[in-house]
Amino acid sequence: NAGVTQTPKFQVLKTGQSMTLQCAQDMNHNSMYWYRQDPGMGLRLIYYSASEGTTDKGEVPNGYNVSRLNKREFSLRLESAAPSQTSVYFCASSDAGQGSDTQYFGPGTRLTVL
Amino acid sequence: GNSVTQMEGPVTLSEEAFLTINCTYTATGYPSLFWYVQYPGEGLQLLLKATKADDKGSNKGFEATYRKETTSFHLEKGSVQVSDSAVYFCALSDSGGYQKVTFGTGTKLQVIP
Repeated sequence: NAGVTQTPKFQVLKTGQSMTLQCAQDMNHNSMYWYRQDPGMGLRLIYYSASEGTTDKGEVPNGYNVSRLNKREFSLRLESAAPSQTSVYFCASSDAGQGSDTQYFGPGTRLTVL
Repeated sequence: GNSVTQMEGPVTLSEEAFLTINCTYTATGYPSLFWYVQYPGEGLQLLLKATKADDKGSNKGFEATYRKETTSFHLEKGSVQVSDSAVYFCALSDSGGYQKVTFGTGTKLQVIP
């Protein structure tokens, strides 16, 4: 099992460019999440998907969109990148709703917006 | 809303020293409590958890006890190793439908030989 995988690992964008961060999990989990991690602020939830076919906003959704492509995949899109979106992005999954509240994280994508 | 407060770091200890990282929380209902660890360049991984009051979570020599009366979940280890150097996050999961997790800001631990 690969667990949770994310691509790319690193990315540099110019202000205004767009990109999509990919995430996939092979644990058959229902719920998936996107977080950003910034120094001194811990992890903040951007969007989540409680189950295939549903997505909802988290704490900091502005400037982002998501797609739950199928049960395995959950992508995060930046339509017009801004320097404030420079961060490390983590995807996670869990079997929430099936009695397990542990989240499993991917290795992260380090994004720099110039 | 829910919140988690943990001691600020960085914490620097000598190998074999005793570790305590304090964590307190605010939540409605009966949350589950977690400690996650993040090693350099990696994602977070679960270290231990406790799901109800007075439960003790333990793993790899680390322990934490769910104290409802003091709303705390302090992380302890009797003898740290250099390999324990990492960032530690306290977190809680409420009992809502998709189990939203609230994370603390993280405490960086550096263990020196």
